[in-house]
Amino acid sequence: DVKVTQSSRYLVKRTGEKVFLECVQDMDHENMFWYRQDPGLGLRLIYFSYDVKMKEKGDIPEGYSVSREKKERFSLILESASTNQTSMYLCASSLAGGPGNEQFFGPGTRLTVL
Amino acid sequence: GQNIDQPTEMTATEGAIVQINCTYQTSGFNGLFWYQQHAGEAPTFLSYNVLDGLEEKGRFSSFLSRSKGYSYLLLKELQMKDSASYLCAVMDSNYQLIWGAGTKLIIKP
Repeated sequence: DVKVTQSSRYLVKRTGEKVFLECVQDMDHENMFWYRQDPGLGLRLIYFSYDVKMKEKGDIPEGYSVSREKKERFSLILESASTNQTSMYLCASSLAGGPGNEQFFGPGTRLTVL
Repeated sequence: GQNIDQPTEMTATEGAIVQINCTYQTSGFNGLFWYQQHAGEAPTFLSYNVLDGLEEKGRFSSFLSRSKGYSYLLLKELQMKDSASYLCAVMDSNYQLIWGAGTKLIIKP
């Protein structure tokens, strides 16, 4: 059974803290993505990666950074958490090689920044 | 700008048929996806359309008209477990997915 796992389902942090969200996939996928999902809005792409050590900015990268040291792991970092980063964070992965390749999602991390 | 529109919420009766519409305006088109997302869970893939026409997959079908910038997801023989949000997403010319806000489908007995 293919799987994308995320390190925490729920997380509460304080303003200014550095926050790490981890994502691991066991499908040997090349592509990995970080989204945030807020009520009334579609999923918004924060960062993505098509290969190890490679990263590209999505639509809303400000306040975030990422790391991909191994193919199966893609980490999202909030350098200094702020209340407007309270959200559901979803990690996804997909195979390279075609636009029709579906993205597989992790269960999400609901982050609250106080 | 890029835009995906779908209704915010729909209600249907168990056993009935419901059609969820999605209209889009994007820079380029490399296919349209439908995902299902139950409350508190991850989105899961339902369908992918890149050519015009209807694709049928069991109780679920998805239709695409590229000239009209329009798609719909058709759910037949509705079951209570179909209560979920349905997300429409278009892959643009940069091979990035542009997501709609989702349609929350409520099934009543």
